[in-house]
Amino acid sequence: ETGVTQSPTHLIKTRGQQVTLRCSSQSGHNTVSWYQQALGQGPQFIFQYYREEENGRGNFPPRFSGLQFPNYSSELNVNALELDDSALYLCASSLEVGTYTEAFFGQGTRLTVV
Amino acid sequence: DQQVKQNSPSLSVQEGRISILNCDYTNSMFDYFLWYKKYPAEGPTFLISISSIKDKNEDGRFTVFLNKSAKHLSLHIVPSQPGDSAVYFCAASAPGSGTYKYIFGTGTRLKVLA
Repeated sequence: ETGVTQSPTHLIKTRGQQVTLRCSSQSGHNTVSWYQQALGQGPQFIFQYYREEENGRGNFPPRFSGLQFPNYSSELNVNALELDDSALYLCASSLEVGTYTEAFFGQGTRLTVV
Repeated sequence: DQQVKQNSPSLSVQEGRISILNCDYTNSMFDYFLWYKKYPAEGPTFLISISSIKDKNEDGRFTVFLNKSAKHLSLHIVPSQPGDSAVYFCAASAPGSGTYKYIFGTGTRLKVLA
């Protein structure tokens, strides 16, 4: 059973550019959530995908968008990058949505916007 | 509006003693709570969870206590080991809301002294 993997691990982008982050969910998990963790803060919920459909969104602007593929892997896209987008981006997968079960996190992608 | 609060940014404990990490929440709709541990350069690792129908859950050295009337939960680690040194996040969820998202606290950095 493979865990949650994210790529790349580190990334440096220039303000105004676009970025795509990738996540492979744990085997058998059909729900993927994305979180942003700024320095000194807890992870903040961006959005969740369940069986390829968005299933809820946090307080993030539309320039944050995502996809989930038939194999349940997922992408997070951020357009028009701003300096404040510099953070650790975490992907988490879980077995189902709406059940009392834990989510498993990947190691994260550290994004730096300069 | 911080719905989940960890008011102690850091905690130091001697090896072999008990570590008690605290978490308060404000949203009475939360009915599932989790603790995650995070090492530097890694994603959060699930430790233990508790649903609101219980007031205690144990797993080895880790015990979580839930006081619903006080909207307070705590994580006890007994005995504490140097390998427990990490940042601990509590998280809460309201699965009945339809979106299975976690609201995280800001974390408590635990240092276990040998």
